[in-house]
Amino acid sequence: LAKTTQPISMDSYEGQEVNITCSHNNIATNDYITWYQQFPSQGPRFIIQGYKTKVTNEVASLFIPADRKSSTLSLPRVSLSDTAVYYCLVGDPRDMRFGAGTRLTVKP
Amino acid sequence: GAVVSQHPSWVICKSGTSVKIECRSLDFQATTMFWYRQFPKQSLMLMATSNEGSKATYEQGVEKDKFLINHASLTLSTLTVTSAHPEDSSFYICSAPVGFRGETQYFGPGTRLLVL
Repeated sequence: LAKTTQPISMDSYEGQEVNITCSHNNIATNDYITWYQQFPSQGPRFIIQGYKTKVTNEVASLFIPADRKSSTLSLPRVSLSDTAVYYCLVGDPRDMRFGAGTRLTVKP
Repeated sequence: GAVVSQHPSWVICKSGTSVKIECRSLDFQATTMFWYRQFPKQSLMLMATSNEGSKATYEQGVEKDKFLINHASLTLSTLTVTSAHPEDSSFYICSAPVGFRGETQYFGPGTRLLVL
């Protein structure tokens, strides 16, 4: 049961790149790392998932070092609409527990 | 991507009544679904794992007789809050795992329950 640790909150400005790091020191060999975004009064939305190295999609990049004990979600050029809570989850959904997440506030 | 729906999106009920929330996987089959509860400004808390064709698995501290779960088909799971009380007021979210090992979850939009 991999526990994750993230910063509680982050502030940024429109147009900046935001990097949110998650620590998961006891990640298991077969565990994937998945990031979700949640807006108020909505269910979480899948952003990106990776196992090792770097993954990029149309909305974000995920950087995973060789030891896989941490991961960094990178959001390029954030906008006001990126203000949300971001969760990092590791492992099997049956064993996943949501941490507090990172509350990102993007300011104009 | 996979789509999960919930119904209703919000419900208001009187104390002592029962409320049923439906969770459907719209374009895929889900032998397993998860039910979460989220209080304001807090994270999601896993309540139970719903299994098609068998009994649900409840997390420690969750009353199985109060939160009845029925996974009637490969696309539908229901959560019934029985004899609801104001402290049951919360945001209820379901999800279904997708992928070879079910490593990705797709979440429903959530159901806001207010018990008066």
